[in-house]
Amino acid sequence: QQQVKQSPQSLIVQKGGISIINCAYENTAFDYFPWYQQFPGKGPALLIAIRPDVSEKKEGRFTISFNKSAKQFSLHIMDSQPGDSATYFCAAVANAGKSTFGDGTTLTVKP
Amino acid sequence: DAEITQSPRHKITETGRQVTLACHQTWNHNNMFWYRQDLGHGLRLIHYSYGVQDTNKGEVSDGYSVSRSNTEDLPLTLESAASSQTSVYFCASSEGAAEKLFFGSGTQLSVL
Repeated sequence: QQQVKQSPQSLIVQKGGISIINCAYENTAFDYFPWYQQFPGKGPALLIAIRPDVSEKKEGRFTISFNKSAKQFSLHIMDSQPGDSATYFCAAVANAGKSTFGDGTTLTVKP
Repeated sequence: DAEITQSPRHKITETGRQVTLACHQTWNHNNMFWYRQDLGHGLRLIHYSYGVQDTNKGEVSDGYSVSRSNTEDLPLTLESAASSQTSVYFCASSEGAAEKLFFGSGTQLSVL
């Protein structure tokens, strides 16, 4: 039973375009929803996170949109840059920090 | 600066051998986690610990064990390595009840 489903598996975007990655969850006990960014040969690093009491959070070019009733959340990368090319993981957290991850999205931003 | 380090970065071993992967953090975090990363499966939780002498099984714990004798270290042991355990292993830590994870750079393990 996959508790966090992420799509698409891969995404190609032109420089300056908008990248959108979607995630859906099932367990209503989740109360923290982070996104991690991972470059080749490195560990994931926290990019941005949201709690279910807000519908949107923005940090620079990165925005999380959260729909509690639909149990869905998404990452939007505005003005995508080649340096944003990486693998992105959504996650959902409950029970004092035990994170459940989506399968990841490989983003390629073409110059 | 505080950090979390994993060693070795790369390891090749044979089927049936015991292997131990090291994880050391200087954040003084209570929570530590081991994940494995496989293509198409994201990050799956192997074992985790909420403090010294505390260990818990994750969703893919069969064939793995951990021990927590101090705050800084959570070594992961493969009792008898199998080819299905070929993967990239990540150690992570977090502060108390906080949810943000700090990851190490990973260990690429190949079981031949």
